[in-house]
Amino acid sequence: NAGVTQTPKFQVLKTGQSMTLQCAQDMNHEYMSWYRQDPGMGLRLIHYSVGAGITDQGEVPNGYNVSRSTTEDFPLRLLSAAPSQTSVYFCASSFRGVSDTQYFGPGTRLTVL
Amino acid sequence: LAKTTQPISMDSYEGQEVNITCSHNNIATNDYITWYQQFPSQGPRFIIQGYKTKVTNEVASLFIPADRKSSTLSLPRVSLSDTAVYYCLVGGANTGGFKTIFGAGTRLFVKA
Repeated sequence: NAGVTQTPKFQVLKTGQSMTLQCAQDMNHEYMSWYRQDPGMGLRLIHYSVGAGITDQGEVPNGYNVSRSTTEDFPLRLLSAAPSQTSVYFCASSFRGVSDTQYFGPGTRLTVL
Repeated sequence: LAKTTQPISMDSYEGQEVNITCSHNNIATNDYITWYQQFPSQGPRFIIQGYKTKVTNEVASLFIPADRKSSTLSLPRVSLSDTAVYYCLVGGANTGGFKTIFGAGTRLFVKA
């Protein structure tokens, strides 16, 4: 199993550009989530999904969109990038939810100029 | 969701036992307690999970008193490679458990 994969590893955007961060898992997990981590800080939940076709907002959803058309994939879209979205983004998956072990991807380091 | 409180940082020396305590006064009956470890430039990694009393695995032990309002992660004989941030999470499927809230974590620095 590859576990949780994320692409790209690094990305530089200009203010106003849009892009999609990709996340995929091959463990048949129902629960997937996106976090952002700013320097020296803990992780903050952006969006999560409890299964294909079902998504919900986390702590900091503004400026981000998600969709879950398959169990395996959970892309995160930045609609109009802003410098405040400069961060490291982690995708995670688990079988059910927070009471289950969450497996994290390697992260995407995003810089918005 | 139960809020957790942990020390911001701790220092230790190689070979010592390290205990990191997490307070979660509002823990709900169905909540589990989970600890994660994060190294720089990596995603968090599961260490241990428990509901009550004591849980032990090959990496750590987790002690949970009867009232479950706190928990202690115990790392036996730490090495330099245990330098990391440790997060305590509390939640379960019946208490908004699909929203995982990470606090600031405890930054452990192990010295030679």
